[in-house]
Amino acid sequence: QKEVEQDPGPLSVPEGAIVSLNCTYSNSAFQYFMWYRQYSRKGPELLMYTYSSGNKEDGRFTAQVDKSSKYISLFIRDSQPSDSATYLCAPQDSSYKLIFGSGTRLLVRP
Amino acid sequence: DTAVSQTPKYLVTQMGNDKSIKCEQNLGHDTMYWYKQDSKKFLKIMFSYNNKELIINETVPNRFSPKSPDKAHLNLHINSLELGDSAVYFCASSQGRASGGRTDTQYFGPGTRLTVL
Repeated sequence: QKEVEQDPGPLSVPEGAIVSLNCTYSNSAFQYFMWYRQYSRKGPELLMYTYSSGNKEDGRFTAQVDKSSKYISLFIRDSQPSDSATYLCAPQDSSYKLIFGSGTRLLVRP
Repeated sequence: DTAVSQTPKYLVTQMGNDKSIKCEQNLGHDTMYWYKQDSKKFLKIMFSYNNKELIINETVPNRFSPKSPDKAHLNLHINSLELGDSAVYFCASSQGRASGGRTDTQYFGPGTRLTVL
């Protein structure tokens, strides 16, 4: 079993939809949870991160962590075609190492 | 200004050859990383250096050898290239443990797409 599991998609939604992207993980010691966005043929860029359980909001993006169920979510409100990318969840371990999921490819149709 | 840069962007070579990929960061960070992203987009860390010292060395064939001449540069040399080495290699950097923070944001380069024929 991989440490971080993520549905690869693709997930196709119409513009304006609310998008829900999810990951599960196995290591209960993870404390920081990152979301990276990767456009085609580009490097990943940090979107946002959360610490422990709870929610964090940044504009149209909300990250949510439920440590009891080891479940990580990223919600995108009012999705735009420019949000089309691969979204990678990446918990960080105590040595600052990122453990990446395989990414979910999102396509927002105009 | 490019924060983390890699050269070359594309590398096509024959099996058995030796090749190098270079990485430079101008963010003043102490820690640099090499990642491999396979065809299924799975991104896995290979090495990490902090102030020119190797701190993470994952289970990687010893044909891969990182070299850090200074804390702004981390190069990756690959000997005797194999078909399975075809992937996109990403360099990243972060402030590292010296930042004093409890987390450590990593900034990625644009990637080097390696194709072994």
